[in-house]
Amino acid sequence: AAGVIQSPRHLIKEKRETATLKCYPIPRHDTVYWYQQGPGQDPQFLISFYEKMQSDKGSIPDRFSAQQFSDYHSELNMSSLELGDSALYFCASRTGTSGKVEQFFGPGTRLTVL
Amino acid sequence: AQTVTQSQPEMSVQEAETVTLSCTYDTSESDYYLFWYKQPPSRQMILVIRQEAYKQQNATENRFSVNFQKAAKSFSLKISDSQLGDAAMYFCAYRSGPGVTGANSKLTFGKGITLSVRP
Repeated sequence: AAGVIQSPRHLIKEKRETATLKCYPIPRHDTVYWYQQGPGQDPQFLISFYEKMQSDKGSIPDRFSAQQFSDYHSELNMSSLELGDSALYFCASRTGTSGKVEQFFGPGTRLTVL
Repeated sequence: AQTVTQSQPEMSVQEAETVTLSCTYDTSESDYYLFWYKQPPSRQMILVIRQEAYKQQNATENRFSVNFQKAAKSFSLKISDSQLGDAAMYFCAYRSGPGVTGANSKLTFGKGITLSVRP
């Protein structure tokens, strides 16, 4: 079965640089979530999209922006990177069908900021 | 806001034995979902089991079962016949209501518990 695809899997950036993380949801999934997991931490919700519209927002810094495109893939854009942005970034997808509540996680993008 | 608490940072179990991981949560909502996710060393988040708040019957998935106590806001995971492959970080997670659009459907995680399995 197709899974959530994230690219790149690993990314190394310098402070103050910009990074773009991509997420390709499971086919026919119309909802995408982004989570950030710092070292030894639990995943923290950043932002979500449903049918290409932002549906919820969590603790996402103003330096970050995201969008969902017409093919339902999503991109998380991160600017002015800081050392504290080093984390594992998960994308999860879900079908908006009523009763289908499970979120399926991608393998994550490990971002290291030097 | 909802909170999820996993007070045990680490637990250990002997292979083939049973272990219970604890989780409590706080919410004012009546309709919600609870999940247990497993995160092995690969860091992949794997759904283990889910429980709907409106269901009184505890969910079961093979060797995994939950003890859902809605009044006490408790949601523990029991792993029977523990296997070496069960060693991982386990996260308890909460999700609001049955919403379809994505609003208020984010997962709120506990801090996680590291489970080790002794051969």
